[in-house]
Amino acid sequence: NAGVTQTPKFQVLKTGQSMTLQCAQDMNHNSMYWYRQDPGMGLRLIYYSASEGTTDKGEVPNGYNVSRLNKREFSLRLESAAPSQTSVYFCASSEEEGVGQFFGPGTRLTVL
Amino acid sequence: QKEVEQNSGPLSVPEGAIASLNCTYSDRGSQSFFWYRQYSGKSPELIMSIYSNGDKEDGRFTAQLNKASQYVSLLIRDSQPSDSATYLCAVNINTGNQFYFGTGTSLTVIP
Repeated sequence: NAGVTQTPKFQVLKTGQSMTLQCAQDMNHNSMYWYRQDPGMGLRLIYYSASEGTTDKGEVPNGYNVSRLNKREFSLRLESAAPSQTSVYFCASSEEEGVGQFFGPGTRLTVL
Repeated sequence: QKEVEQNSGPLSVPEGAIASLNCTYSDRGSQSFFWYRQYSGKSPELIMSIYSNGDKEDGRFTAQLNKASQYVSLLIRDSQPSDSATYLCAVNINTGNQFYFGTGTSLTVIP
């Protein structure tokens, strides 16, 4: 099992550009999450999907959109990237709500 | 006030000693509590989950939860250099999938 996979691993964008971060899990988990990790701020939840077909805002959703494409895949879209969105983005999944999560390897995004 | 607070450290312990990591949280409705280990440049890895008051042991790791005092701790016995990492405390607030993480405590185990 690959667990949680993310693409791309690294990305550099210019201000105003858009992009989609991809995430997939092969553990048949119901819940999926997107986090960003910034120095001194810890991990912050952007969006989550409790189950296929549902999505909800987390702590820092502004500037992002998500799509739960099917049970395996959960994508994060930046419509108009800003320098403040420079961060490391992690996707995670869990078997159900409220239990421990398994993280992907992360995407390091720089917005110039 | 942050939802989850951790001492950022760094915490240094000699090899073979007990490392003690602490975490406090603000929301009394918090239901479940987790410890993750994160090596530099890597993703967080779940090492312990605890849901009720008391101690939970798994190998060299013991998680302790005290809901009345709103703290959760992680003890690492017989610390090894490979335990050197940042340890993240996470709390699930009583709204389903809302998780809050502390900023982490950096642990160094000295050979």
